[in-house]
Amino acid sequence: AQKVTQAQTEISVVEKEDVTLDCVYETRDTTYYLFWYKQPPSGELVFLIRRNSFDEQNEISGRYSWNFQKSTSSFNFTITASQVVDSAVYFCALSEAPGNQFYFGTGTSLTVIP
Amino acid sequence: ETGVTQSPTHLIKTRGQQVTLRCSSQSGHNTVSWYQQALGQGPQFIFQYYREEENGRGNFPPRFSGLQFPNYSSELNVNALELDDSALYLCASSTQQGRGYEQYFGPGTRLTVT
Repeated sequence: AQKVTQAQTEISVVEKEDVTLDCVYETRDTTYYLFWYKQPPSGELVFLIRRNSFDEQNEISGRYSWNFQKSTSSFNFTITASQVVDSAVYFCALSEAPGNQFYFGTGTSLTVIP
Repeated sequence: ETGVTQSPTHLIKTRGQQVTLRCSSQSGHNTVSWYQQALGQGPQFIFQYYREEENGRGNFPPRFSGLQFPNYSSELNVNALELDDSALYLCASSTQQGRGYEQYFGPGTRLTVT
């Protein structure tokens, strides 16, 4: 069973629009960690955020914000006032106990049109 | 940049051959994980090394093997290459055994099997 689902395969927005990337996860563990990574065309995965299962506070970092809701098993990512440099593939990932492997979703390809 | 380096950048091999990919972890990191990312997919966990021991393995056959050295660098070896092994191979390092802690990824090695 897919542990992390990113239903949006591709999204295109016009520069300065807001965009939300959806992530739904599945786990039976009470302790787990969720992550978002950005993968630009160069291929290197860039860490954006980590959230643990005990902390449901939403987080904002500049134009980025994350909405973690355990009730719906979702960890959505919003980019406000999108820019061309935000164009990339974004991955949501889950890490469960025990072990340390990350389960990645299939990614959402975001294109910001100038 | 994360400080995680991988070599080579690109590699072309023939079916049936063997390949070794290398990874140098970020300074201070003692855990290395390897992932395979097929085109258009999310990374899939191959295995992880912690203090020179394999510490978790994904659903990959035994012809995928690895090593970690005392300086925490690592190798991924793939024997009897198959066409489906063509992918981007990503190495990630983390500070501890990695539970819940973000992994920092290298730029990857693009392997093409013909």
